[in-house]
Amino acid sequence: NAGVTQTPKFRILKIGQSMTLQCTQDMNHNYMYWYRQDPGMGLKLIYYSVGAGITDKGEVPNGYNVSRSTTEDFPLRLELAAPSQTSVYFCATSRPSAPTDNEQFFGPGTRLTVL
Amino acid sequence: GQSLEQPSEVTAVEGAIVQINCTYQTSGFYGLSWYQQHDGGAPTFLSYNGLDGLEETGRFSSFLSRSDSYGYLLLQELQMKDSASYFCAVNDYGQNFVFGPGTRLSVLP
Repeated sequence: NAGVTQTPKFRILKIGQSMTLQCTQDMNHNYMYWYRQDPGMGLKLIYYSVGAGITDKGEVPNGYNVSRSTTEDFPLRLELAAPSQTSVYFCATSRPSAPTDNEQFFGPGTRLTVL
Repeated sequence: GQSLEQPSEVTAVEGAIVQINCTYQTSGFYGLSWYQQHDGGAPTFLSYNGLDGLEETGRFSSFLSRSDSYGYLLLQELQMKDSASYFCAVNDYGQNFVFGPGTRLSVLP
């Protein structure tokens, strides 16, 4: 099992360009998340999904869009890249079995630079 | 909204015990998680407290007090490989997670 995979690993964008960060999981988890992490900071939730066809905004959704057409895939779209979006992006999944287990499994991350 | 506070840095020696505290303010609380992150790596899950009390997993333990909006991560028998950043995170009933700013732990020989 590959777990959670993200592509690309690194990307440099020019201001105003668009791109899609890919996230795929083979864990059959219903819940998927997108986070960004700026240097020396904690993770900020961008969007999350509790199942195919259902998405919701997190703490910092502006400038991003998501879709969830399958259980496996949860792509993150940047439409007009800005320098403030320079960050490391992590995708994560979970299958919470409350109230004693809510582990999130993280992908390796995509390091994005906007110049 | 939700906000969390953690100490920014903690230093300890090998073999010692260290406690990392986390206080939170939240409009809807369901559970408290702890994650470890080495430099350049992805966060990895350590523990989750959905109920008050102590959860123990090997050298790591985590505690939650809902009435005090407080939790802590306890690391025992510290090893050099425990040098990393540690994040607490709270989630609401809808699985909206908010992470703390992180605590950088340095383990000295």
